[in-house]
Amino acid sequence: EIVLTQSPGTLSLSPGERATLSCRASQSISSYLAWYQQKPGQAPRLLIYGASSRATGIPDRFSGSGSGTDFTLTISRLEPEDFAVYYCQQYGSSPMYTFGQGTKLEIK
Amino acid sequence: DVQLVQSGVEVKKAGESLKISCRGSGYTFNNYWIGWVRQMPGKGLEWVGIIYPGDSDTRYSPSFRGQVTISVDKSVNTAYLQWSRLKASDTAMYYCGRHRGSSSTDNFDIWGQGTMVTVSS
Repeated sequence: EIVLTQSPGTLSLSPGERATLSCRASQSISSYLAWYQQKPGQAPRLLIYGASSRATGIPDRFSGSGSGTDFTLTISRLEPEDFAVYYCQQYGSSPMYTFGQGTKLEIK
Repeated sequence: DVQLVQSGVEVKKAGESLKISCRGSGYTFNNYWIGWVRQMPGKGLEWVGIIYPGDSDTRYSPSFRGQVTISVDKSVNTAYLQWSRLKASDTAMYYCGRHRGSSSTDNFDIWGQGTMVTVSS
């Protein structure tokens, strides 16, 4: 089973600042990594797939990078609606497409 | 619009059976893998498994194999997640999701609204 470790667990920032979230895989997953945003009481929303491709309708302040075992989600300038929990998911190792434990992005 | 609509809240007793549903619309249902994700109260996301409606090919996480059954009824564009004997530890929100493409090696791009399952002991 591939384990994804996200860091930090909680990130406290102010609107307008830059956010950098990390996801590390226990073995190589090439670029088979997605990022999701989840707000309280809502279903997850796809932000990034293939490690760096933005999903339809996602603002360009969201960007993803990395390959192999180390991945990063960057939010260039935080908007108030960006404060949420973010999950990474690997889909390179069937049959268990695991999620990371999540990073909570909170307002400082 | 492409969407997945899930069945409503369920409150059950331990030992009972349950089948929840996820209906797809706005796309060719048979051509996209559809799957399930568990979120226990206050916790993260856990991948349960996926099914391909075209031929009912099903893949399970080892953690959930034997605990749940994923099925599909193509005639009504609906996928199902079922339990034969519920446990209190099955209490969670269950989301369905559609794969972005037609490959099993893919992520979810469309999500249902979630079905809350509460099991009392």
